[in-house]
Amino acid sequence: SAVISQKPSRDICQRGTSLTIQCQVDSQVTMMFWYRQQPGQSLTLIATANQGSEATYESGFVIDKFPISRPNLTFSTLTVSNMSPEDSSIYLCSVGGGRYEQYFGPGTRLTVT
Amino acid sequence: AQSVTQLDSQVPVFEEAPVELRCNYSSSVSVYLFWYVQYPNQGLQLLLKYLSGSTLVESINGFEAEFNKSQTSFHLRKPSVHISDTAEYFCAVSYSGGSNYKLTFGKGTLLTVNP
Repeated sequence: SAVISQKPSRDICQRGTSLTIQCQVDSQVTMMFWYRQQPGQSLTLIATANQGSEATYESGFVIDKFPISRPNLTFSTLTVSNMSPEDSSIYLCSVGGGRYEQYFGPGTRLTVT
Repeated sequence: AQSVTQLDSQVPVFEEAPVELRCNYSSSVSVYLFWYVQYPNQGLQLLLKYLSGSTLVESINGFEAEFNKSQTSFHLRKPSVHISDTAEYFCAVSYSGGSNYKLTFGKGTLLTVNP
């Protein structure tokens, strides 16, 4: 399985600001994903990050709020824009494995005050 | 819409006791099934998966899960748990014919193993 790192591991931000989360993979992968895990909740897919094209967003998530970049096959960023306390969550990136499974990064714990 | 139901939000057990974490999914098509584990303050780790073949799949740390198509279930079991098994467990499904790799997760079951 791929080794995935995320930066930052945690952050405390003020409302109205933006935070960019980085996801780095140790091998080239086609599919990368961004998830949100709100406190005490399951994972919700935000978007699929496609290399060389715009990300594909799930219902309820929009590009203006969660812009995503995917400049190459090993790296992606997720920006949480104009943050509010409701954005306090763990944000996880994942990559597609060999047979439909996904492998996850350690997550970024975001607290918005 | 596809859905995954984990019937128990919390399961407390004593060390060395058996445990079953239940998972049901909604589908009328072929599925791929997964269990992920999340230890405190960590990301998700793939515990085991069912893609095809034998309906009973095992992990390296003693967990097993059985795919039951008629019951649309994929329950996770371990005959004797350890304190270190304390974690959140998520069942997830990917649907054949849908977007490759897209996973739908259940709400999770917090397994707490007490001494």
